[in-house]
Amino acid sequence: DAGVTQSPTHLIKTRGQQVTLRCSPKSGHDTVSWYQQALGQGPQFIFQYYEEEERQRGNFPDRFSGHQFPNYSSELNVNALLLGDSALYLCASSLWPDMNTEAFFGQGTRLTVV
Amino acid sequence: QQQVKQSPQSLIVQKGGISIINCAYENTAFDYFPWYQQFPGKGPALLIAIRPDVSEKKEGRFTISFNKSAKQFSLHIMDSQPGDSATYFCAASIGYSGAGSYQLTFGKGTKLSVIP
Repeated sequence: DAGVTQSPTHLIKTRGQQVTLRCSPKSGHDTVSWYQQALGQGPQFIFQYYEEEERQRGNFPDRFSGHQFPNYSSELNVNALLLGDSALYLCASSLWPDMNTEAFFGQGTRLTVV
Repeated sequence: QQQVKQSPQSLIVQKGGISIINCAYENTAFDYFPWYQQFPGKGPALLIAIRPDVSEKKEGRFTISFNKSAKQFSLHIMDSQPGDSATYFCAASIGYSGAGSYQLTFGKGTKLSVIP
């Protein structure tokens, strides 16, 4: 049983570019949440998707957007990249509505903006 | 505004010793308090979690102590081993009631090093 898988594992982009990160949830999970983890910090909640809709959103600008597909996989898009967007982006999957229990994280995508 | 404060930032413990990491929260609506373990290059993995209706939960060598009145909770790792060396994050969220409001708020992490 595959856990949460994210792609790519590493990515280097130039300031001002756009990036798309992908996440496949753990088998049987239907809810995907995205987090940003800056170096030396704890993860920060970006948003959560269920039934292809954004359900919750953290304190992130509109440059951060997402999508969930019918197979529950998800994408995170970041436009107009800034140097400060460099971070580890984590995807977590869980089962609605008890989203708090057994939220499984992927290994993340390390994004470097130069 | 940091809603979950974690200390210490780093911790060095001898093999066999007890590792203690503390967290304090501000939002009294939080009703789920998990601890995550993260190894370099990996995503966080759920270690143990507690609800506010109990004061302690133990799973193997890991124990969470919870003090609702003080709005504090802590992780105790008994008989610490070199393999426990990792970064530990406390977190808190709202939503156990199934109301649908959910996001994990993490502390800044504690880097634990267990030396032989």
